[in-house]
Amino acid sequence: DAKTTQPTSMDCAEGRAANLPCNHSTISGNEYVYWYRQIHSQGPQYIIHGLKNNETNEMASLIITEDRKSSTLILPHATLRDTAVYYCIVRGGNAGNNRKLIWGLGTSLAVNP
Amino acid sequence: SAVISQKPSRDICQRGTSLTIQCQVDSQVTMMFWYRQQPGQSLTLIATANQGSEATYESGFVIDKFPISRPNLTFSTLTVSNMSPEDSSIYLCSVVQGQDWGANVLTFGAGSRLTVL
Repeated sequence: DAKTTQPTSMDCAEGRAANLPCNHSTISGNEYVYWYRQIHSQGPQYIIHGLKNNETNEMASLIITEDRKSSTLILPHATLRDTAVYYCIVRGGNAGNNRKLIWGLGTSLAVNP
Repeated sequence: SAVISQKPSRDICQRGTSLTIQCQVDSQVTMMFWYRQQPGQSLTLIATANQGSEATYESGFVIDKFPISRPNLTFSTLTVSNMSPEDSSIYLCSVVQGQDWGANVLTFGAGSRLTVL
């Protein structure tokens, strides 16, 4: 799986949009971009994923650049409960040959009142 | 998506003992994984639990230390053997549903927080 680069930490004011960037310049054509988050003392929680097109669900939007070398997770109206570590990972290929996901340390997002 | 129950949620154990963590899924799943998250660190894959056969371990992890069972498509156990303080971590069960590895979501249990004294 391709390696990702994320800022160590970010701050966001409650009610404002949180834009979390991720660089994945070595991504290959069959690899999806996934975002997860981990709230303190909980297991990681799936947020959203995409391959080429931008995606939106009830939690967030995912913007993937045309060359697919970077992406941005957007939380449109951040709340205090969105304070968590956000992980960007890329994943694809045959499960038998490509199981090990490189999670990295993610971005620690602090939403401030 | 699948719902995962992990037991115990936390435990405090003595050095040299072993602890078995259970992972129960509410539906049949294609793949089950065990992860470790050491304090302040990210997730590291321990092994893939294979139904009806020996688990597939990642580099740095061995069966004698982390024996894994997966008797069916909804249940797995991870044992942490002969524990030392360095084994103090959160252990997470994770599953994938469906055959398309790349396109399918990983679902995680809440984790089992282990402290070894």
